[in-house]
Amino acid sequence: QKEVEQNSGPLSVPEGAIASLNCTYSDRGSQSFFWYRQYSGKSPELIMFIYSNGDKEDGRFTAQLNKASQYVSLLIRDSQPSDSATYLCAVTKNNDMRFGAGTRLTVKP
Amino acid sequence: DAGVIQSPRHEVTEMGQEVTLRCKPISGHDYLFWYRQTMMRGLELLIYFNNNVPIDDSGMPEDRFSAKMPNASFSTLKIQPSEPRDSAVYFCASSLATGVNSPLHFGNGTRLTVT
Repeated sequence: QKEVEQNSGPLSVPEGAIASLNCTYSDRGSQSFFWYRQYSGKSPELIMFIYSNGDKEDGRFTAQLNKASQYVSLLIRDSQPSDSATYLCAVTKNNDMRFGAGTRLTVKP
Repeated sequence: DAGVIQSPRHEVTEMGQEVTLRCKPISGHDYLFWYRQTMMRGLELLIYFNNNVPIDDSGMPEDRFSAKMPNASFSTLKIQPSEPRDSAVYFCASSLATGVNSPLHFGNGTRLTVT
């Protein structure tokens, strides 16, 4: 079992729709959860992080964490073509950060 | 701040040659991480340092890989001898601390091609 699992996609949504990205993790002791966005040929860049159960909103982005289910998600409201990228879920325990394989999102105009 | 700086951006070498990748973390960041990214395996943690000391190198694939951090502003990842399966993008990242509220800041990466 992989430490961090994501649906590789591709996930395709029309412009203006809500994109929902999901991630599960195997270690119940995981402490913090991050979402990164990576454009093709570029380095990952942080979108947001969450460490408590529930929802956390930042602009068009909402992260949701359910530690009992070992599940974290990212919702992107009013999706734009510029949101087309690979989204990486990352999980930390102690001092290191482990990444999922990423979900490729395409937002069609 | 200039961010995490990696060099070179691209490296093409022949099998058996030594390759050295370089990284300058963000000033003041105590943690430095080396990752490798491939289509097949995604982002893999190779090794990380805290205050210049290697903490966990369990991700280093083989003895052919070695990493050093002689001071707070410089780290190297060396592959000797290189093999075609080492072809990947290698990222260096740094963070102020780890865990809660401590995201990684990535460099632009080094794309390594071993022929």
